[in-house]
Amino acid sequence: EAGVAQSPRYKIIEKRQSVAFWCNPISGHATLYWYQQILGQGPKLLIQFQNNGVVDDSQLPKDRFSAERLKGVDSTLKIQPAKLEDSAVYLCASSFSYEGQETQYFGPGTRLLVL
Amino acid sequence: AQSVTQLGSHVSVSEGALVLLRCNYSSSVPPYLFWYVQYPNQGLQLLLKYTTGATLVKGINGFEAEFKKSETSFHLTKPSAHMSDAAEYFCAVTYTGTASKLTFGTGTRLQVTL
Repeated sequence: EAGVAQSPRYKIIEKRQSVAFWCNPISGHATLYWYQQILGQGPKLLIQFQNNGVVDDSQLPKDRFSAERLKGVDSTLKIQPAKLEDSAVYLCASSFSYEGQETQYFGPGTRLLVL
Repeated sequence: AQSVTQLGSHVSVSEGALVLLRCNYSSSVPPYLFWYVQYPNQGLQLLLKYTTGATLVKGINGFEAEFKKSETSFHLTKPSAHMSDAAEYFCAVTYTGTASKLTFGTGTRLQVTL
């Protein structure tokens, strides 16, 4: 079974530029998550999709971050404009529920450096 | 509100020694608890999870964890460390109300020395 795919793996941009990350979840997984992992910290949830609808985006900085999941499969996360503090690893995860239990599977992440 | 606390941001053990990584949780309802491992430049990989039932949970790579409600703990152990165990380990919690919303600890970096 193929895992969660993410691209690019690395990105370096200057502040105020825009950047986009792409995620392809595991086939059949209805739920998709984007996390931000700042160096030395645990992942923090940015947004959760169920199929193509947003379930939770309470911690997404909506003035600069946006995300979409067209057709309930792939997803993109965009930052516009980027700030220095956005330097982090952006992790995508997907999951499905079975008998009320759920396990998230993570992609390799996109490492963003904002200069 | 739910949270997890991982005691010790860095743990160093000798190869062959016992590995003990500590995790305490705070949850107002019965928790689901997870341990994930992250190797350099990779995503998180699930080691093991506790949902209901047996409190001693066995995972991959010889790791296990015991859910102790009275101590609100879910410590990760491995009897004998291997060099390949060197990585960052994250404890995470969610609760039955929203089984999907994971809250992660700050992580513990495990170093294994010869």
